[in-house]
Amino acid sequence: DGGITQSPKYLFRKEGQNVTLSCEQNLNHDAMYWYRQDPGQGLRLIYYSQIVNDFQKGDIAEGYSVSREKKESFPLTVTSAQKNPTAFYLCASSIESGFQTDTQYFGPGTRLTVL
Amino acid sequence: AQTVTQSQPEMSVQEAETVTLSCTYDTSESDYYLFWYKQPPSRQMILVIRQEAYKQQNATENRFSVNFQKAAKSFSLKISDSQLGDAAMYFCAYRSAWYGGSQGNLIFGKGTKLSVKP
Repeated sequence: DGGITQSPKYLFRKEGQNVTLSCEQNLNHDAMYWYRQDPGQGLRLIYYSQIVNDFQKGDIAEGYSVSREKKESFPLTVTSAQKNPTAFYLCASSIESGFQTDTQYFGPGTRLTVL
Repeated sequence: AQTVTQSQPEMSVQEAETVTLSCTYDTSESDYYLFWYKQPPSRQMILVIRQEAYKQQNATENRFSVNFQKAAKSFSLKISDSQLGDAAMYFCAYRSAWYGGSQGNLIFGKGTKLSVKP
């Protein structure tokens, strides 16, 4: 089955720890994205990557880092510099063609809680 | 900057009835996409329907249809024959068709919570 997987489903972090959220897709999509969702809010873009070994900051990148070493994978690290990391994190991917965008499809999400 | 507004935080509909969710947006671009996503209690975002701005014909997907009014910058979602499984948060989203505009980001409204009464 083609799709986007995220792991773990639930993640707990202690103050001062870095944690990494996994996102994998087998849709052969070029672009991948990380969003954060807080209660009562829509999604806000953290980082996105249109191509391997390249990524761009979104609206709320501070305290987060990413890598894109493989087309299929786009892990997100929540660093200790992120002051309020408790949230629901969604990964998405889309086919992109040059400068033209396309529909984004989402993974099941990871719920991160700071203890 | 583009914005998306959903003015109805909550809506309720009787099973088998029809409900319309409202969405307005603001943009100076002429080429873009509009989407409705559904987020059930599992919290996965599921694409419901997509509309290309250059198409005058309203998109439909089975029981879901949109009323796209480009001049008014309005994009409402109509759900016909509502089912219990339709209960969810519904998000309206905007995306520029080109990476030159707003970096191709998806811009979301704050959502409308739909309840379906049996």
